[in-house]
Amino acid sequence: NAGVTQTPKFQVLKTGQSMTLQCAQDMNHEYMSWYRQDPGMGLRLIHYSVGAGITDQGEVPNGYNVSRSTTEDFPLRLLSAAPSQTSVYFCASSYSGLAGYGDNEQFFGPGTRLTVL
Amino acid sequence: GENVEQHPSTLSVQEGDSAVIKCTYSDSASNYFPWYKQELGKRPQLIIDIRSNVGEKKDQRIAVTLNKTAKHFSLHITETQPEDSAVYFCAASSGIQGAQKLVFGQGTRLTINP
Repeated sequence: NAGVTQTPKFQVLKTGQSMTLQCAQDMNHEYMSWYRQDPGMGLRLIHYSVGAGITDQGEVPNGYNVSRSTTEDFPLRLLSAAPSQTSVYFCASSYSGLAGYGDNEQFFGPGTRLTVL
Repeated sequence: GENVEQHPSTLSVQEGDSAVIKCTYSDSASNYFPWYKQELGKRPQLIIDIRSNVGEKKDQRIAVTLNKTAKHFSLHITETQPEDSAVYFCAASSGIQGAQKLVFGQGTRLTINP
């Protein structure tokens, strides 16, 4: 299994540009999440999905869209990039609930480092 | 909503000594408390977790304790080694059954000095 994969690894955007961060998992997990990680602020939930066709907002959803047309893929779209969206983005998936639990832990992808100029 | 506070933000200990990281949470309904380790440039990885019906859990050199009354939980690492150097995050889960979301603390950068 490849686990959770994310592309690209690095990206530089100009203010106002749009782009899609890709996330895929091959573990047949129903639950998937997008987090952003900023220095001194831990990881904050942007959007999440509890299954194909079902998405909802997390703690910091503004400026981002998601969709979940298949179990495997959960792309994150930046509609009009702003410098405040400079961050490291992690996608995560789990079998047992969004948070995962024990042997059914939440697995993170390798991350995408995004810089918005 | 849930709020998780983590202290200290940085911690430096001598190799072989113990390290303790503390977190407090605000939502008394939270019932799952995982700890993640993130090495430099890598993804967060689960190292230990605890449910609210358990007061303490150990896994070799790592232990987590939970005080539900005071709403705080702690990570204890004994006999620290250089490979323990990393950023550690606590988290607490909140929300409705089936869609419980994790709220993370701010992170602790642990440095083990040889």
